Amino acid sequence: EVQLVESGGGLVQPGGSLRLSCAASGFSFSSYRMNWVRQAPGKGLEWVSYISTSSSTIYYADSVKGRFTISRDNAKNSLYLQMNSLRAEDTAVYYCARGNDFDIWGQGTMVTVSS
Amino acid sequence: DIQMTQSPSSLSASVGDRVTITCRASQGISNYLAWFQQKPGKAPKSLIYASSSLQSGVPSKFSGSGSGTDFTLTISSLQPEDFATYYCQQYNSYPRTFGQGTKVEI
Repeated sequence: EVQLVESGGGLVQPGGSLRLSCAASGFSFSSYRMNWVRQAPGKGLEWVSYISTSSSTIYYADSVKGRFTISRDNAKNSLYLQMNSLRAEDTAVYYCARGNDFDIWGQGTMVTVSS
Repeated sequence: DIQMTQSPSSLSASVGDRVTITCRASQGISNYLAWFQQKPGKAPKSLIYASSSLQSGVPSKFSGSGSGTDFTLTISSLQPEDFATYYCQQYNSYPRTFGQGTKVEI
């Protein structure tokens, strides 16, 4: 079964850090571009970051540029999002999504930034 | 950045109704347009890519059309499981952008 499973969310204070992981299974992870998307409570979807298959090309939303870092380990079939200098407005469910057309999504992991 | 504007923001419909949702891009995106369905508390599900291509396993009651700046998602005969929020998204350029969503209610 093709699957993406996120982990690493939780409660963190403003200014803190978290590292999210996305474990892929059921497909050739190294062949797919990957994305992170987030959704604040009661709000719409916001694209966060993109990484190419070889990690050679990376993009970020302006709202997270300079604070978040996307990475991947193809040997471990895993995608990561290192989040630093977290703000209250980063509170959201974070999803990983596969490919250019976001055809497969994980179930999401909740990140809450609050003191 | 390319802005995606959906209309309406919400609609009320009945089982069996034909429903159409519109998505407009602020500049041309060719056919790099996807549609997603999201139910409360669940992850989005991909329905359509490349404006009109159905993802594997998605029922044919869903259809998409359009190119350039104007796109539509049509549900031919609304069923109880179709009540959800629908999002369009452009993947022509970065940053990827989503429409604000259309909530389909009973």
